[in-house]
Amino acid sequence: QQQVKQSPQSLIVQKGGISIINCAYENTAFDYFPWYQQFPGKGPALLIAIRPDVSEKKEGRFTISFNKSAKQFSLHIMDSQPGDSATYFCAASMASGTYKYIFGTGTRLKVLA
Amino acid sequence: EAGVAQSPRYKIIEKRQSVAFWCNPISGHATLYWYQQILGQGPKLLIQFQNNGVVDDSQLPKDRFSAERLKGVDSTLKIQPAKLEDSAVYLCASSRDSYQPQHFGDGTRLSIL
Repeated sequence: QQQVKQSPQSLIVQKGGISIINCAYENTAFDYFPWYQQFPGKGPALLIAIRPDVSEKKEGRFTISFNKSAKQFSLHIMDSQPGDSATYFCAASMASGTYKYIFGTGTRLKVLA
Repeated sequence: EAGVAQSPRYKIIEKRQSVAFWCNPISGHATLYWYQQILGQGPKLLIQFQNNGVVDDSQLPKDRFSAERLKGVDSTLKIQPAKLEDSAVYLCASSRDSYQPQHFGDGTRLSIL
């Protein structure tokens, strides 16, 4: 119940295309869902986050779509660029107790020039 | 503002040896986290501090791992003795408080021979 399942494991997209990464969870107590971007040799960096009271959040080319009933959320990267090539992690946490993050297994994105 | 600082960046040791990692969180951040990131996986929380107190160490292998956060600022994570399965990147993160977004350092890559 504490797992966050992420797919696909890897993704190749042409420059200018849309990258879509999906995550699913079981625990309905989760109520904060951040996405992190990680470049090789670097730590994860917060990209965008959403709470279940909204169905969509957009920041620049990055959009999170959230489906509370399906217990799924996804990251859309519009107009994907070679500089977006990185590993993306979704995570989930509960607004109680320690608020600890449960991370997905990651998606390695490669954007072709 | 300066980010989370970690050292060393890389460490190579033989199994059964001991090793220590150091983390300096972002100034003013009360919550500090240590994560283990095995190649190809998402970060896994090892221990979470609130100021200098432990709030979650449920996934810390306490027979070999220890961590402390003296004076509520810097933290050290120690492994003694190391096993081959401990080869991973050890990430430190901090947040202003436990319900605030987490900011990661670039980690220490540990290789066990």
